Amino acid sequence: QKEVEQDPGPLSVPEGAIVSLNCTYSNSAFQYFMWYRQYSRKGPELLMYTYSSGNKEDGRFTAQVDKSSKYISLFIRDSQPSDSATYLCAMSGGTSYGKLTFGQGTILTVHP
Amino acid sequence: DAGVIQSPRHEVTEMGQEVTLRCKPISGHNSLFWYRQTMMRGLELLIYFNNNVPIDDSGMPEDRFSAKMPNASFSTLKIQPSEPRDSAVYFCASTLHGQAGNTIYFGEGSWLTVV
Repeated sequence: QKEVEQDPGPLSVPEGAIVSLNCTYSNSAFQYFMWYRQYSRKGPELLMYTYSSGNKEDGRFTAQVDKSSKYISLFIRDSQPSDSATYLCAMSGGTSYGKLTFGQGTILTVHP
Repeated sequence: DAGVIQSPRHEVTEMGQEVTLRCKPISGHNSLFWYRQTMMRGLELLIYFNNNVPIDDSGMPEDRFSAKMPNASFSTLKIQPSEPRDSAVYFCASTLHGQAGNTIYFGEGSWLTVV
């Protein structure tokens, strides 16, 4: 079983929809939780990060962490075609502090 | 800042040949990572350095892979001899260790095809 599980999708939504992306994990030592966005043929770029449990909002994006359930989410409101990309969750902490463990990535397409 | 710079961007080589991938981290960052990305396995950490010292190389697939970081501004990942199953995108990334969230910045990747 992988340390971080993420549904690879693909996920296709109409423009303006609310998108929900999720990851589960098994390592209770993880403390930092990140979402990266990767456009085709590009490197991943950091979208949001959260420390421990709670919510964090940045514009149309909201990240949620529920450590008790070992579950993290990324919500995208008013999705745009430019949001079409692969979204990867990533985590670090505990003995793995200093390196990230990534989910498989979810391919998202927002169609006009 | 120019970001993490990788070269070459694309490489096609024949099985058995040596491949060297290069990386220049963001100036001031003291941690450097090499990741490999494939459709089947996603992003996998190969090795990471802190202050030019290899900290964790448990992700290096086998002895054919080696990585060096001779100074704070340069690192190489070498595959010798290369095999078709090494075909993947290799990403270099860097961060300032201890920075909140360990936000890691990735380069554009080196796209390797071994035929």
